[in-house]
Amino acid sequence: AQRVTQPEKLLSVFKGAPVELKCNYSYSGSPELFWYVQYSRQRLQLLLRHISRESIKGFTADLNKGETSFHLKKPFAQEEDSAMYYCALTYNQGGKLIFGQGTELSVKP
Amino acid sequence: ETGVTQSPTHLIKTRGQQVTLRCSSQSGHNTVSWYQQALGQGPQFIFQYYREEENGRGNFPPRFSGLQFPNYSSELNVNALELDDSALYLCASSSPGTDTQYFGPGTRLTVL
Repeated sequence: AQRVTQPEKLLSVFKGAPVELKCNYSYSGSPELFWYVQYSRQRLQLLLRHISRESIKGFTADLNKGETSFHLKKPFAQEEDSAMYYCALTYNQGGKLIFGQGTELSVKP
Repeated sequence: ETGVTQSPTHLIKTRGQQVTLRCSSQSGHNTVSWYQQALGQGPQFIFQYYREEENGRGNFPPRFSGLQFPNYSSELNVNALELDDSALYLCASSSPGTDTQYFGPGTRLTVL
């Protein structure tokens, strides 16, 4: 079955430190991978998707098909990055999203 | 452009009752998906509607049902509520041929 695993429930770093939020998936085909973010008191929103190969708010994510991973990285964390981050995949365009359990990122001053 | 809206914001029901949650999709979007997010968990897919027809369903029992209307708004109905149905229910809409889903603020359902 398709599954998304985010091994860390909470990741705490200091401002300016590098951050990596881990995401592993299980799916035998070619999924579309996403990172969604939920800031405090805001709705869930798309941060980035692997197919776009873009950097949003300094975050990047590389799809590693060999390791079935899609880790989210940022070289210098900012306090405003504190939020819940969810990794998700879909295997049919426009279809259901399969989410991981989420990682809470806390960036301390 | 109006984003996805959901009503009500909060709801308290007792076990065995029935509930209807509502969602208005973003302008131009004809696909609506519903998710259940239990506390401390990621959202879980319930079902999706496309042009008023169910277009995929997750691992939820038949007492979870839905509708989509000609204006693409949608309802989620849950019958015979159980305590475990307490969760945040999220609605997301998307436009044809795209993967990006835009989420509403959610409805917090508490079953006592």
